[in-house]
Order: sequence, then structure tokens, then C-alpha cells
Amino acid sequence: ILNVEQSPQSLHVQEGDSTNFTCSFPSSNFYALHWYRWETAKSPEALFVMTLNGDEKKKGRISATLNTKEGYSYLYIKGSQPEDSATYLCASSGNQFYFGTGTSLTVIP
Amino acid sequence: GAGVSQTPSNKVTEKGKYVELRCDPISGHTALYWYRQSLGQGPEFLIYFQGTGAADDSGLPNDRFFAVRPEGSVSTLKIQRTERGDSAVYLCASSLNLPGQGTSTQYFGPGTRLTVL
Repeated sequence: ILNVEQSPQSLHVQEGDSTNFTCSFPSSNFYALHWYRWETAKSPEALFVMTLNGDEKKKGRISATLNTKEGYSYLYIKGSQPEDSATYLCASSGNQFYFGTGTSLTVIP
Repeated sequence: GAGVSQTPSNKVTEKGKYVELRCDPISGHTALYWYRQSLGQGPEFLIYFQGTGAADDSGLPNDRFFAVRPEGSVSTLKIQRTERGDSAVYLCASSLNLPGQGTSTQYFGPGTRLTVL
């Protein structure tokens, strides 16, 4: 079993602040790194898929980077808004998907 | 188009009973996954199907858990002799590609919340 770890476990930020959190994963048997956003009472929604070392993806105010050599990915949110409040999950896929436990983000208006 | 759907959305049962949870994946998706999410944890892999066959069932916790996908689309997760520890949200996801092929992005259903009293 691959250990995918996310930090911090939870985060509270003020509206307008920028924030970032980390996903670390074993680099063996790695194919892709996935980020999902999971709002309460909804399905997890795919944000990004990255495969190559140095990949950067951006979607609006949210961006992500990937370092496969050292086994980590960062998710950045610029100018956080209350609607960004959710749990952000990362998953490493090789032969299977292995999910981290998520970072719970609360943006305070 | 239609996303992944799961029924029922909530299921309350008594210890020792049998339950079935259903997943309708996105049409044409080859791979179908079942996960279990307990409070404060990330999704825990249970089983995944490639077409009709279970490609990896290593995550099923014991022989009370069984899943089928007889025609390569709809899947049913079956739990026999339920225990209180089985209470969790059971998530289903499907993807166009298998893990390690293409981007293999998973699309999740809304989950079934199972409560065993």
C-alpha cells in the first residue's frame, strides 16, 4: 500500500488570503497525481491530473505543481473565497488509486 | 451528460442484515471503483473492475464483502451480516481509462451513507 500524506489536516484562512497545502507520495510505481475538491454533500470533483516532473496546472485561482523526484505536489489557492471551502484530496495512481486523508479548508468571510 | 449515480443515498440497517449498494457509472467507462470513507479518513480503496471482471479486490476487508459488475456497466456492492464497523460512506467512481493508462481521471458518485445500528 502506498502512503499518500497530506498536510495540514485542516486550515482556516480569511477571505482574500492566499494559501497552499501539500501532498506527498512515494515515487515508486507512480503514474499520475490527482487533485480533487470535495464539498460537503457533493461528489469529489476532479481538479487536476499531472504526470510529468515539473508539471504545473492552473484553473482560475487554483494551481498545482508536481515534483516526482522528491514525491510531492503543492496546491495553491490565490485570494481565497468562502466558496473555496471544501476538502481537497490528492491521489497517486499507478496500478491503483491511493488517496490521502485530505486537507479541510475553511475560508472565513 | 449523466454522471455517476449511486442508490440508495442513505441506508440504515440492523446488525446482521444483508445490504446491496448500487452504482451506475458513466456510459462507456471501462473502469469502476468502490471506496469506503470513514469519518476523518480519505477514501479507502475496496475493489476495481475492468469491464466485467474484478481486476483488483485486495481492498475488500473480509469475505462478507462482495461486488459484481455482470454486464460491464452497473455494479453492486454486497455486504453480508453487516456489523456496526461497516458504517461509512461508500463511494463509487468510474474512469474511461484504467490506472496507468491515459489520465485515468475518476468521476465520483455522490456516495451511499450506510449506517448499521
